[in-house]
Amino acid sequence: RKEVEQDPGPFNVPEGATVAFNCTYSNSASQSFFWYRQDCRKEPKLLMSVYSSGNEDGRFTAQLNRASQYISLLIRDSKLSDSATYLCVVTLLYNFNKFYFGSGTKLNVKP
Amino acid sequence: EPEVTQTPSHQVTQMGQEVILRCVPISNHLYFYWYRQILGQKVEFLVSFYNNEISEKSEIFDDQFSVERPDGSNFTLKIRSTKLEDSAMYFCASRLGLAGAEENEQFFGPGTRLTVL
Repeated sequence: RKEVEQDPGPFNVPEGATVAFNCTYSNSASQSFFWYRQDCRKEPKLLMSVYSSGNEDGRFTAQLNRASQYISLLIRDSKLSDSATYLCVVTLLYNFNKFYFGSGTKLNVKP
Repeated sequence: EPEVTQTPSHQVTQMGQEVILRCVPISNHLYFYWYRQILGQKVEFLVSFYNNEISEKSEIFDDQFSVERPDGSNFTLKIRSTKLEDSAMYFCASRLGLAGAEENEQFFGPGTRLTVL
């Protein structure tokens, strides 16, 4: 079973749309959660950490549901520049020595 | 803004040859990582390194792989005898590693594209 699973997409949305991605994780001991974005053939870049109470950064909102073992990312008012692959990343309780990456969800924002 | 750097950006080698991929982590960071990403696939953890020793490694990181921090700034990944399936993008990352959520962010370098012929 995969540690982290994501819908690969692609999600094709018009500019200005709201789009949401989910990510499920298999290990209940997972403790820290992150969303990264990766542009084609580039390195992953941290978008936001996901806190237990949920958190928002501008147009981006991240939520954690421990009971169902998933995290979500909501993007409001999509911009063309949001087109990328969004990676869900999980690490286990106190073990920041190993990070588990999902395969990513591809987002295409169209004009 | 401090950043992780990697050299070379692209390495082409013949099967069976040794390669060394180089990384300069962010200067005050304490934890270092290597990942690989085969084209079209997910980012895969290879190894983590702290206090001059390996903290954790994946099944991919077999005896053909080794890591070293030869001085205070460089962090290297060596592949002793490359195989065709080692062709991938290799990312180095570093993390500050103190208590607190922000300190658990990993910062990635731009990657080295390894092509094994």
